[in-house]
Amino acid sequence: GAGVSQSPSNKVTEKGKDVELRCDPISGHTALYWYRQSLGQGLEFLIYFQGNSAPDKSGLPSDRFSAERTGGSVSTLTIQRTQQEDSAVYLCASSPRTSGRTDTQYFGPGTRLTVL
Amino acid sequence: AQSVTQLGSHVSVSEGALVLLRCNYSSSVPPYLFWYVQYPNQGLQLLLKYTSAATLVKGINGFEAEFKKSETSFHLTKPSAHMSDAAEYFCAVSDLTDKLIFGTGTRLQVFP
Repeated sequence: GAGVSQSPSNKVTEKGKDVELRCDPISGHTALYWYRQSLGQGLEFLIYFQGNSAPDKSGLPSDRFSAERTGGSVSTLTIQRTQQEDSAVYLCASSPRTSGRTDTQYFGPGTRLTVL
Repeated sequence: AQSVTQLGSHVSVSEGALVLLRCNYSSSVPPYLFWYVQYPNQGLQLLLKYTSAATLVKGINGFEAEFKKSETSFHLTKPSAHMSDAAEYFCAVSDLTDKLIFGTGTRLQVFP
């Protein structure tokens, strides 16, 4: 079956612009996660959705970052007024959340964001 | 709080040699541990996971890991390296809210 897909695969933007990153999880997966991978910070958690609600958004680095999920499926991560330090690969993962902490998270290929 | 430490940001081995990638964890609750692999320009793929069913866990591509509570370790091994194993490997522990806390990764190079 289809895996997690993300779009765009690459995004180059100018400092100060807003960007939207999209994630399509595996069909039927109720849990969705956003992570960020950067040279300086490694792999870090951003936000977790269960259905359409976000019980854990503790990893969002600032109020310029927001995310939503609609219909228990597609999620969009929005970064407003982008800064150069936002340059990173943004990874999305989904899981069926049948057993919580032991569930496998399935990752998408990521969106590489470059802020000039 | 949960955390993982991966010793060695780079590991180099010859083809056919033993692969050993180290991971130590810290967890205030029974840990659930994962090893993921990332090939260049790709997302992360699960190699194996420890969910308390068995301390020796076998994964894909001939990899395995042993959970040792006394040493708070979950090292990844493979008896014989293959060129296709060259990638970055991440150890992770799942948090109480199910998110993954990753180590800093180990880049494995395999020389012919």
